[in-house]
Amino acid sequence: GQNIDQPTEMTATEGAIVQINCTYQTSGFNGLFWYQQHAGEAPTFLSYNVLDGLEEKGRFSSFLSRSKGYSYLLLKELQMKDSASYLCAVVDSNYQLIWGAGTKLIIKP
Amino acid sequence: SQTIHQWPATLVQPVGSPLSLECTVEGTSNPNLYWYRQAAGRGLQLLFYSVGIGQISSEVPQNLSASRPQDRQFILSSKKLLLSDSGFYLCAWDEPGNSGNTIYFGEGSWLTVV
Repeated sequence: GQNIDQPTEMTATEGAIVQINCTYQTSGFNGLFWYQQHAGEAPTFLSYNVLDGLEEKGRFSSFLSRSKGYSYLLLKELQMKDSASYLCAVVDSNYQLIWGAGTKLIIKP
Repeated sequence: SQTIHQWPATLVQPVGSPLSLECTVEGTSNPNLYWYRQAAGRGLQLLFYSVGIGQISSEVPQNLSASRPQDRQFILSSKKLLLSDSGFYLCAWDEPGNSGNTIYFGEGSWLTVV
């Protein structure tokens, strides 16, 4: 079967750095997405990785290792507005999106 | 630029009543369209997707149905709602073709079946 694993919940302090991990087992791989979803709102696109390595975009970076079936989202200089759920999703060999359950990130002052 | 809208934003419906959620996309042609459901604390569940007018693929057997009467319009319906249909429904779109395109979501619709 196809599976995306990410921690259910994480807590971090304002101004700090947090890394949210995502591991996947899918039938094929055609890219990995990270989305941010604030409570009660729709997910919004953060990043897309299809090649190994780190993609940096402001305070957010996303890393991919295809050989390990592993990705992480790195958030720097955390702000209170970063409190949200972060969804990992993998595009499989049929170009279907397989979604993780999301990681709820709680930022404390 | 492309935009996606869905409505209504929230609704409370009694068990056994019908449902209609609408979604429209602007600024693009022949998009792939999707309906997802997100139960509390759970991941996104793909319900239906469409690659063109009148072309609907169902991912999960249930009492819901979808229709695409126009290129940029996608409708989610039910004839008789169940309590288990409660959840957050999201319409989404991406560019046509299969290339790992970014998917964009509408604002979402909260459905509570009572």
